[in-house]
Amino acid sequence: NAGVTQTPKFRVLKTGQSMTLLCAQDMNHEYMYWYRQDPGMGLRLIHYSVGEGTTAKGEVPDGYNVSRLKKQNFLLGLESAAPSQTSVYFCASIPDSFNSPLHFGNGTRLTVT
Amino acid sequence: DQQVKQNSPSLSVQEGRISILNCDYTNSMFDYFLWYKKYPAEGPTFLISISSIKDKNEDGRFTVFLNKSAKHLSLHIVPSQPGDSAVYFCAASAGDDKIIFGKGTRLHILP
Repeated sequence: NAGVTQTPKFRVLKTGQSMTLLCAQDMNHEYMYWYRQDPGMGLRLIHYSVGEGTTAKGEVPDGYNVSRLKKQNFLLGLESAAPSQTSVYFCASIPDSFNSPLHFGNGTRLTVT
Repeated sequence: DQQVKQNSPSLSVQEGRISILNCDYTNSMFDYFLWYKKYPAEGPTFLISISSIKDKNEDGRFTVFLNKSAKHLSLHIVPSQPGDSAVYFCAASAGDDKIIFGKGTRLHILP
């Protein structure tokens, strides 16, 4: 049982390049989340999804897009990467109840030069 | 505006003593609170939670206390062990599907 899997684990981008981060969960969870972690800033919510085909904005959505075409996958896209998007990105999921603890992946470390 | 605040960036505690990590919140609609622990290069892992209808929840060495009138919660770890050295995040939910985290407190357990 893999839980929440994030790919890639590391990536270096140049300013202006685009990329997609993939999050996959095998727990049949309805809700999925993308957070970014920066030094001194904690975990900040970028976007989230409460079910297949739905997405919503979190605290810091600008510069990112997301898609949830399949229940098990939640994609985070950067159309034109900026150095301010250098961060560690975490994906998480929960069952259909919000009063449940998040299950996190191990993160993707992204550097934008 | 920060809705979940962890005002101590770091804390050092002697092994065997009690560790107390604090968290304050501003949104009175929050009704579910969680603590997570994070080691370097890993994702956060769930520790313990508490609903707003309770003022205490205990799980082994970990106890969370909630003071709704003060909008304050704390995590107590007794006794502290070397493996408890990590970053601890407080998180809260208002039932609107968003789960908001604080900035974290780095706990160092000293031998």
